[in-house]
Amino acid sequence: AQSVTQLDSQVPVFEEAPVELRCNYSSSVSVYLFWYVQYPNQGLQLLLKYLSGSTLVKGINGFEAEFNKSQTSFHLRKPSVHISDTAEYFCAVSEAGTASKLTFGTGTRLQVTL
Amino acid sequence: NAGVTQTPKFRILKIGQSMTLQCTQDMNHNYMYWYRQDPGMGLKLIYYSVGAGITDKGEVPNGYNVSRSTTEDFPLRLELAAPSQTSVYFCASTREGQPQHFGDGTRLSIL
Repeated sequence: AQSVTQLDSQVPVFEEAPVELRCNYSSSVSVYLFWYVQYPNQGLQLLLKYLSGSTLVKGINGFEAEFNKSQTSFHLRKPSVHISDTAEYFCAVSEAGTASKLTFGTGTRLQVTL
Repeated sequence: NAGVTQTPKFRILKIGQSMTLQCTQDMNHNYMYWYRQDPGMGLKLIYYSVGAGITDKGEVPNGYNVSRSTTEDFPLRLELAAPSQTSVYFCASTREGQPQHFGDGTRLSIL
C-alpha cells in the first residue's frame, strides 16, 4: 500500500527567504505525485503535479518540485517566499490504475513572517 | 465554471441525527471522492465512485453511506451521527491520471 510522509509539521520562515517542504512516499508501482495548498477555511488548490516526463515540475505562485525516484521523494521548493504563502501544504500520491485515489501526507504548515 | 460544489458549508448535528452532505460537479468527471480532514491527520478517503452506479469503500467508511445515481452528484449520508464524525468533509472529482478538483468543504460538528 502506498503511503506519504511529510517530515515537517511546521516550517517557520522569514519573508523573501527560500523554503523547502519535504515529502517522501512509498509505493511499489508507478505513481503520480501532487502538491496541494490549503488556505484557512478553504478547500485544496493544486500547486503542481508530476504525471510523467521531466522530473522538475513548475507550479503556480513560483513553486517547483523535483521527482526523485531513487530516493522516493517529491520535495517542494520556492526561492523567495511571500507573506501570502502562509498556508497548509499537502503532498499526495496516486498509483497508476487505482481510479486516481489519493493518499495524503499529514501536511506542513508554512508560516511566513516579516 | 462552478467546478465542485458542496452544500451545506456548515452544520451542527445532535448525536443520533442523520443528514446528507451534497456534492455536485459540472466537469463531466467520472471519478468522485469523499474525504474527511481532521487536525494533524491530513485527508482520509471515505468513499469513492468511478461512475454512475458504482461506489467503493475507502480507508474510513464506517458510519457513512454513498450513492451515485448520476455523473454529476455524489451525496454522502450519515445515518446515526456520532461525535467522532465531527470533521471537515471534502468532495473531489477527476478523470483517470489527472489531478483531483476539490470543493470548499462542509464543516460538521456533532454535539
